[in-house]
Amino acid sequence: QQPVQSPQAVILREGEDAVINCSSSKALYSVHWYRQKHGEAPVFLMILLKGGEQKGHDKISASFNEKKQQSSLYLTASQLSYSGTYFCGTGGSARQLTFGSGTQLTVLP
Amino acid sequence: DGGITQSPKYLFRKEGQNVTLSCEQNLNHDAMYWYRQDPGQGLRLIYYSQIVNDFQKGDIAEGYSVSREKKESFPLTVTSAQKNPTAFYLCASSDPGLVNEQFFGPGTRLTVL
Repeated sequence: QQPVQSPQAVILREGEDAVINCSSSKALYSVHWYRQKHGEAPVFLMILLKGGEQKGHDKISASFNEKKQQSSLYLTASQLSYSGTYFCGTGGSARQLTFGSGTQLTVLP
Repeated sequence: DGGITQSPKYLFRKEGQNVTLSCEQNLNHDAMYWYRQDPGQGLRLIYYSQIVNDFQKGDIAEGYSVSREKKESFPLTVTSAQKNPTAFYLCASSDPGLVNEQFFGPGTRLTVL
Protein backbone atom coordinates (compact mmCIF):
# COMPACT_ATOMS: atom_id res chain seq x y z
CA GLN A 1 0.00 0.00 0.00
CA GLN A 2 1.15 3.47 -0.90
CA PRO A 3 2.43 5.64 1.98
CA VAL A 4 0.49 8.81 2.63
CA GLN A 5 2.28 12.13 2.35
CA SER A 6 1.12 15.41 3.81
CA PRO A 7 0.71 18.14 2.94
CA GLN A 8 0.10 17.66 -0.79
CA ALA A 9 1.51 21.10 -1.52
CA VAL A 10 3.19 23.91 0.37
CA ILE A 11 4.31 27.40 -0.60
CA LEU A 12 7.05 29.15 1.34
CA ARG A 13 9.06 32.30 1.28
CA GLU A 14 12.82 31.99 1.11
CA GLY A 15 14.20 31.43 4.61
CA GLU A 16 11.06 29.81 6.02
CA ASP A 17 10.86 26.25 7.36
CA ALA A 18 8.74 23.33 6.20
CA VAL A 19 7.88 19.83 7.37
CA ILE A 20 6.73 17.02 5.10
CA ASN A 21 5.24 13.90 6.62
CA CYS A 22 5.09 10.34 5.38
CA SER A 23 3.09 7.60 7.06
CA SER A 24 2.54 3.97 6.24
CA SER A 25 0.05 1.31 7.30
CA LYS A 26 2.73 -1.37 6.93
CA ALA A 27 5.80 -2.15 9.01
CA LEU A 28 8.77 -0.25 7.68
CA TYR A 29 12.40 -1.27 7.36
CA SER A 30 13.51 1.93 5.74
CA VAL A 31 12.31 5.29 4.47
CA HIS A 32 13.90 6.99 1.47
CA TRP A 33 13.46 10.64 0.55
CA TYR A 34 13.84 11.96 -3.00
CA ARG A 35 13.35 15.35 -4.66
CA GLN A 36 12.22 15.73 -8.25
CA LYS A 37 12.37 18.87 -10.36
CA HIS A 38 9.79 19.21 -13.11
CA GLY A 39 10.53 16.89 -16.05
CA GLU A 40 13.63 15.44 -14.41
CA ALA A 41 14.50 12.25 -12.60
CA PRO A 42 14.15 12.03 -8.82
CA VAL A 43 17.33 12.74 -6.91
CA PHE A 44 18.20 10.91 -3.72
CA LEU A 45 18.26 12.98 -0.51
CA MET A 46 18.65 10.49 2.31
CA ILE A 47 17.74 7.10 3.70
CA LEU A 48 16.63 6.29 7.22
CA LEU A 49 16.79 2.76 8.54
CA LYS A 50 15.07 1.09 11.47
CA GLY A 51 16.12 2.53 14.81
CA GLY A 52 14.36 5.89 14.99
CA GLU A 53 17.40 7.72 13.74
CA GLN A 54 17.54 11.25 12.54
CA LYS A 55 19.71 12.27 9.65
CA GLY A 56 20.74 15.59 8.24
CA HIS A 57 22.13 16.91 5.04
CA ASP A 58 22.94 20.61 4.99
CA LYS A 59 19.67 22.24 6.12
CA ILE A 60 17.52 19.23 5.29
CA SER A 61 17.01 16.58 7.93
CA ALA A 62 14.64 13.71 8.57
CA SER A 63 13.39 11.50 11.34
CA PHE A 64 11.99 7.98 11.34
CA ASN A 65 9.65 6.66 14.00
CA GLU A 66 9.28 2.97 13.24
CA LYS A 67 6.71 2.39 16.00
CA LYS A 68 4.40 4.95 14.47
CA GLN A 69 5.48 3.93 10.97
CA GLN A 70 6.12 7.56 10.13
CA SER A 71 8.88 9.72 8.79
CA SER A 72 9.19 13.49 8.58
CA LEU A 73 11.41 15.61 6.37
CA TYR A 74 12.48 18.98 7.79
CA LEU A 75 13.62 21.80 5.54
CA THR A 76 15.02 24.76 7.44
CA ALA A 77 15.77 28.21 6.09
CA SER A 78 14.51 27.12 2.70
CA GLN A 79 16.27 28.24 -0.46
CA LEU A 80 14.88 28.73 -3.96
CA SER A 81 16.69 25.57 -5.02
CA TYR A 82 14.55 23.52 -2.62
CA SER A 83 11.55 23.88 -4.91
CA GLY A 84 10.35 20.61 -6.37
CA THR A 85 8.28 17.59 -5.51
CA TYR A 86 9.38 15.51 -2.56
CA PHE A 87 8.66 11.81 -2.45
CA CYS A 88 9.05 9.36 0.34
CA GLY A 89 9.67 5.74 -0.55
CA THR A 90 9.03 3.08 2.02
CA GLY A 91 10.87 -0.22 2.10
CA GLY A 92 9.46 -3.43 3.48
CA SER A 93 11.17 -6.77 3.79
CA ALA A 94 11.77 -6.99 0.05
CA ARG A 95 14.08 -4.65 -1.81
CA GLN A 96 11.49 -2.69 -3.74
CA LEU A 97 10.20 0.69 -2.60
CA THR A 98 6.66 1.98 -2.54
CA PHE A 99 6.48 5.71 -3.18
CA GLY A 100 4.01 8.24 -1.87
CA SER A 101 2.17 10.58 -4.22
CA GLY A 102 4.51 13.45 -3.45
CA THR A 103 4.51 16.88 -1.82
CA GLN A 104 4.96 19.84 -4.13
CA LEU A 105 7.14 22.49 -2.49
CA THR A 106 7.39 25.97 -3.94
CA VAL A 107 9.84 28.47 -2.50
CA LEU A 108 9.22 32.08 -3.47
CA PRO A 109 11.77 34.90 -3.26
CA ASP B 1 31.12 8.49 -15.68
CA GLY B 2 28.88 5.96 -13.97
CA GLY B 3 25.16 6.28 -14.35
CA ILE B 4 21.93 5.18 -15.95
CA THR B 5 20.93 6.04 -19.47
CA GLN B 6 17.48 5.86 -20.96
CA SER B 7 16.68 6.38 -24.57
CA PRO B 8 15.01 8.04 -26.23
CA LYS B 9 14.00 11.04 -24.10
CA TYR B 10 10.76 11.48 -26.05
CA LEU B 11 8.90 8.74 -27.91
CA PHE B 12 5.76 8.88 -29.99
CA ARG B 13 3.85 5.81 -31.10
CA LYS B 14 0.56 5.02 -32.71
CA GLU B 15 -2.08 3.25 -30.71
CA GLY B 16 -1.84 -0.54 -31.03
CA GLN B 17 1.93 -0.65 -31.55
CA ASN B 18 4.34 -2.23 -29.13
CA VAL B 19 7.28 -0.07 -28.10
CA THR B 20 10.47 -0.89 -26.21
CA LEU B 21 12.16 1.56 -23.85
CA SER B 22 15.87 1.19 -23.26
CA CYS B 23 17.61 1.30 -19.87
CA GLU B 24 21.33 0.76 -19.44
CA GLN B 25 23.48 1.15 -16.31
CA ASN B 26 27.23 0.95 -15.73
CA LEU B 27 27.08 1.13 -11.96
CA ASN B 28 27.47 -2.64 -11.57
CA HIS B 29 24.17 -2.75 -9.71
CA ASP B 30 22.35 -6.05 -9.35
CA ALA B 31 18.84 -4.65 -8.95
CA MET B 32 16.97 -2.66 -11.58
CA TYR B 33 13.47 -1.18 -11.60
CA TRP B 34 10.90 0.36 -13.91
CA TYR B 35 8.47 3.01 -12.69
CA ARG B 36 5.62 4.83 -14.33
CA GLN B 37 4.78 8.42 -13.39
CA ASP B 38 1.60 10.20 -14.41
CA PRO B 39 1.16 13.99 -14.11
CA GLY B 40 0.96 15.11 -10.50
CA GLN B 41 1.35 11.59 -9.20
CA GLY B 42 3.98 9.48 -7.54
CA LEU B 43 6.06 6.64 -8.90
CA ARG B 44 4.38 3.32 -9.45
CA LEU B 45 6.44 0.18 -9.79
CA ILE B 46 5.97 -1.77 -13.01
CA TYR B 47 8.65 -4.48 -12.81
CA TYR B 48 11.84 -5.07 -10.93
CA SER B 49 14.77 -7.42 -11.24
CA GLN B 50 17.08 -8.45 -8.42
CA ILE B 51 19.47 -10.41 -10.60
CA VAL B 52 20.12 -11.37 -14.20
CA ASN B 53 17.51 -13.68 -15.77
CA ASP B 54 15.05 -13.03 -12.97
CA PHE B 55 12.34 -10.38 -12.57
CA GLN B 56 9.12 -9.83 -10.67
CA LYS B 57 5.91 -7.94 -11.32
CA GLY B 58 5.33 -4.71 -9.49
CA ASP B 59 2.03 -3.03 -8.74
CA ILE B 60 1.03 -2.23 -12.32
CA ALA B 61 2.64 -4.89 -14.55
CA GLU B 62 -0.37 -5.54 -16.79
CA GLY B 63 0.35 -4.58 -20.39
CA TYR B 64 4.12 -4.46 -19.87
CA SER B 65 6.93 -6.95 -20.29
CA VAL B 66 10.64 -6.92 -19.44
CA SER B 67 13.77 -8.98 -19.91
CA ARG B 68 17.06 -9.11 -18.01
CA GLU B 69 19.56 -10.97 -20.13
CA LYS B 70 22.51 -8.80 -19.08
CA LYS B 71 23.33 -7.15 -15.78
CA GLU B 72 23.64 -3.75 -17.47
CA SER B 73 20.37 -3.77 -19.37
CA PHE B 74 16.69 -3.90 -18.41
CA PRO B 75 14.46 -3.00 -21.39
CA LEU B 76 10.75 -2.42 -20.93
CA THR B 77 8.20 -3.22 -23.64
CA VAL B 78 4.91 -1.40 -23.55
CA THR B 79 2.49 -3.66 -25.36
CA SER B 80 -0.76 -2.87 -27.11
CA ALA B 81 -2.53 -4.45 -24.14
CA GLN B 82 -1.61 -1.46 -21.98
CA LYS B 83 -4.78 0.63 -22.07
CA ASN B 84 -3.30 3.99 -21.20
CA PRO B 85 0.42 3.95 -22.01
CA THR B 86 1.07 7.70 -22.26
CA ALA B 87 3.27 8.54 -19.26
CA PHE B 88 6.77 9.35 -18.04
CA TYR B 89 8.81 6.16 -17.54
CA LEU B 90 11.72 6.03 -15.14
CA CYS B 91 14.32 3.32 -14.80
CA ALA B 92 16.37 2.92 -11.63
CA SER B 93 19.04 0.67 -10.21
CA SER B 94 20.37 -0.04 -6.75
CA ASP B 95 23.38 -1.68 -5.20
CA PRO B 96 23.17 -4.97 -3.31
CA GLY B 97 23.89 -3.48 0.10
CA LEU B 98 21.55 -2.86 2.98
CA VAL B 99 20.86 0.77 2.11
CA ASN B 100 19.30 0.13 -1.31
CA GLU B 101 19.61 3.73 -2.51
CA GLN B 102 18.03 3.91 -5.94
CA PHE B 103 19.66 5.84 -8.76
CA PHE B 104 17.33 7.04 -11.48
CA GLY B 105 17.82 7.54 -15.17
CA PRO B 106 16.61 10.72 -16.94
CA GLY B 107 13.34 9.11 -18.03
CA THR B 108 11.47 8.55 -21.28
CA ARG B 109 8.28 10.45 -22.01
CA LEU B 110 6.05 8.19 -24.08
CA THR B 111 3.10 9.61 -25.97
CA VAL B 112 0.70 7.28 -27.74
CA LEU B 113 -1.32 8.98 -30.44
